[in-house]
Amino acid sequence: DQQVKQNSPSLSVQEGRISILNCDYTNSMFDYFLWYKKYPAEGPTFLISISSIKDKNEDGRFTVFLNKSAKHLSLHIVPSQPGDSAVYFCAASGNYGGSQGNLIFGKGTKLSVKP
Amino acid sequence: GAGVSQSPRYKVAKRGQDVALRCDPISGHVSLFWYQQALGQGPEFLTYFQNEAQLDKSGLPSDRFFAERPEGSVSTLKIQRTQQEDSAVYLCASSLIFSRSGAGTQYFGPGTRLLVL
Repeated sequence: DQQVKQNSPSLSVQEGRISILNCDYTNSMFDYFLWYKKYPAEGPTFLISISSIKDKNEDGRFTVFLNKSAKHLSLHIVPSQPGDSAVYFCAASGNYGGSQGNLIFGKGTKLSVKP
Repeated sequence: GAGVSQSPRYKVAKRGQDVALRCDPISGHVSLFWYQQALGQGPEFLTYFQNEAQLDKSGLPSDRFFAERPEGSVSTLKIQRTQQEDSAVYLCASSLIFSRSGAGTQYFGPGTRLLVL
């Protein structure tokens, strides 16, 4: 059973508009969340993270929002650029039995930003 | 180098062959993780090292998979008697600190794409 879910396999957005990527999780023990961006034939590249003690973290064009009660987080990219086209993975980790800080990933959302 | 490196980038193996995949983490990074990524899926955890100690190998799919990090830096993931279902991208990640809260950001290498025929 998936603990981290990205229910949209793909998203298409016009250049300059906002991209919103969503992620849901089931394990209430998760306390750290990350977004990674992946181009074909490359490893995931770290984008932005958020601790469960916060509800928002911003870094340039990227903002992550965390709603703990809904077990939901989202990544906002404003404005979207064609170079943002990639697969975006949501990942979570936590301090719970058996965990060593390894990341649990969603299946990814493929973002296409059209000029 | 500034980032995590992995070699080889691509490996084609015949079923039954043994393979060894290498990971060079970022210098000074204490934690090292191996993940397996199947086509169309997110990476899945295989095993974790803190320095030279393998603290978690719960994600290794079978006893054909073995990992080591003898000097606390370079790590090798070995797969014995490869099977077709082992075909995947194998990703290595490292992080600077060890934290039970999971607060160490992991930085990934480019991966090794393994194809077993």
